[in-house]
Amino acid sequence: GESVGLHLPTLSVQEGDNSIINCAYSNSASDYFIWYKQESGKGPQFIIDIRSNMDKRQGQRVTVLLNKTVKHLSLQIAATQPGDSAVYFCAENTRPEGGAGGTSYGKLTFGQGTILTVHP
Amino acid sequence: KAGVTQTPRYLIKTRGQQVTLSCSPISGHRSVSWYQQTPGQGLQFLFEYFSETQRNKGNFPGRFSGRQFSNSRSEMNVSTLELGDSALYLCASSLGLLLNEKLFFGSGTQLSVL
Repeated sequence: GESVGLHLPTLSVQEGDNSIINCAYSNSASDYFIWYKQESGKGPQFIIDIRSNMDKRQGQRVTVLLNKTVKHLSLQIAATQPGDSAVYFCAENTRPEGGAGGTSYGKLTFGQGTILTVHP
Repeated sequence: KAGVTQTPRYLIKTRGQQVTLSCSPISGHRSVSWYQQTPGQGLQFLFEYFSETQRNKGNFPGRFSGRQFSNSRSEMNVSTLELGDSALYLCASSLGLLLNEKLFFGSGTQLSVL
């Protein structure tokens, strides 16, 4: 029978191209964002993070852009390599509203993921 | 520095049984979080422990529980297993000192419930 599951967006690029993976978030109270890479059979691997008081942060071959106005996050990978092929997740941490109780310790809300395939 | 270690790597259980999963955080990390990953629901937060205390909890039934030991190692337990509990269970560690910290994940325990 047909399996039910998330239909992940896919991005297919050639080796050496630049890749842009997009993520929309819904909670305007989110103040911390992380990108993770997950390869088959492995746990999510940290790539880069950004706090809500910034709109851009750069790492090695990666750049994260944050647009709070439209609640959009993107990950840019320069000179994409076959080893970059994986599922990429954005994740957000939302500070609880004042007086609402509870915490946000350790709790990240993950997006559905994007499958990146890099062709040699 | 060793990463987050989860054992066992694979588990097969039958409905109604219970299971215990183990997680050893990165040395010096005192916070351990647990996540469930399924094709249908993606990654979902279960709970977080710091200094042997549960600080945060997700929306899972009481059959899912956890604990943390004085050496920061953590276990999670699922009782009365259901078919829908089949998933990859991921453990993540962090220093635990700030609300917003990067989490470092282990490779997970793949649980299959038959």
